[in-house]
Amino acid sequence: AQSVAQPEDQVNVAEGNPLTVKCTYSVSGNPYLFWYVQYPNRGLQFLLKYITGDNLVKGSYGFEAEFNKSQTSFHLKKPSALVSDSALYFCAVKERWGNNRLAFGKGNQVVVIP
Amino acid sequence: EAQVTQNPRYLITVTGKKLTVTCSQNMNHEYMSWYRQDPGLGLRQIYYSMNVEVTDKGDVPEGYKVSRKEKRNFPLILESPSPNQTSLYFCASSPGEPNSPLHFGNGTRLTVT
Repeated sequence: AQSVAQPEDQVNVAEGNPLTVKCTYSVSGNPYLFWYVQYPNRGLQFLLKYITGDNLVKGSYGFEAEFNKSQTSFHLKKPSALVSDSALYFCAVKERWGNNRLAFGKGNQVVVIP
Repeated sequence: EAQVTQNPRYLITVTGKKLTVTCSQNMNHEYMSWYRQDPGLGLRQIYYSMNVEVTDKGDVPEGYKVSRKEKRNFPLILESPSPNQTSLYFCASSPGEPNSPLHFGNGTRLTVT
């Protein structure tokens, strides 16, 4: 069964510095990979996804993620963090040819310090 | 505006008193799902529905029921709530293709005393 690991509970970064949120996954075969963001008192919002092709995926709000098949990772990145990026970030994986189940990681709290 | 609407946003109830959390989407999506979010556990799927009249269990279905009689609605029913069902619940929908992202509602915070 597919699973996701987000090893850090919280990521602290100074405003203007690069932001990285780590994600590794386990799945049979090739994956579909997603990142979502959750702001306080809101539902999750889709940021970006990897389907196939270019390993660097660009998404909303200046975020991007790099798919690395050999390391089974899909780390989320932003070159220059904003205070408004402070939120909870979830990585999720789905099997390409299996069940339609989307497995989420436990989430990473990102705190951007002014 | 395209959206997933959940009601109520907050609910406090007592053990054993049946409750329903409603979910409606206006995007003509085939796929709908319920998740619960608990600290340190991320989101866990309760039930999902691939289409009208088709529902299936997710990872944590015990104590919950769902129905999908219409495409737009997917209510979550707790026949006899217990304190371990205190959680934040999210409804989500998507067009149904495997690579389609989910659209989430704003959540229902349930407390069972």
